[in-house]
Amino acid sequence: GIQVEQSPPDLILQEGANSTLRCNFSDSVNNLQWFHQNPWGQLINLFYIPSGTKQNGRLSATTVATERYSLLYISSSQTTDSGVYFCAASNTGNQFYFGTGTSLTVIP
Amino acid sequence: GAGVSQSPRYKVAKRGQDVALRCDPISGHVSLFWYQQALGQGPEFLTYFQNEAQLDKSGLPSDRFFAERPEGSVSTLKIQRTQQEDSAVYLCASSLGVGRVGNTIYFGEGSWLTVV
Repeated sequence: GIQVEQSPPDLILQEGANSTLRCNFSDSVNNLQWFHQNPWGQLINLFYIPSGTKQNGRLSATTVATERYSLLYISSSQTTDSGVYFCAASNTGNQFYFGTGTSLTVIP
Repeated sequence: GAGVSQSPRYKVAKRGQDVALRCDPISGHVSLFWYQQALGQGPEFLTYFQNEAQLDKSGLPSDRFFAERPEGSVSTLKIQRTQQEDSAVYLCASSLGVGRVGNTIYFGEGSWLTVV
């Protein structure tokens, strides 16, 4: 299967700061998604981004498929951004491989 | 429905007991996935359905785990003779399409299983 590595594993930010989360994957993919897991455990889909760049408010994501990595940018962080961020990759559509996540804490 | 619905949200089972976890995907979604998430880890794939067909069950950890989706909508994950290592959150997800076509996957809130 696809090996997915995320960095950093933990991140503490002051409210208002910006951050970049990275996801490396070991094989070519045709489906790459970013999720935010809230404190109640639910995974909320942030982006479907197998290639290119997308933006949604304070969040944006870029995937460089040829170099097998994706980045999630969080600007002007808020306490509600706290949680664990996962990327998940697939090259079949049947099975998604998740990284171990980046745990983000935003302090006021 | 509006989102993926899972029940029960919380289940405490005695070791050796059988449990059944239900997933109601978003209406019309063809693909359905089950994942297992241990504390502090990322979700790990268990099984995949396309309509009622179970196309991939390579992630099921043992023959005590069984999943079905008989009518292509609601799915049930059954764990027989539960053991302590089965304690985890069981996540169900669905997506509209199939295969390689770009599909956003939507997760339910999970079923938290504790085996004592």
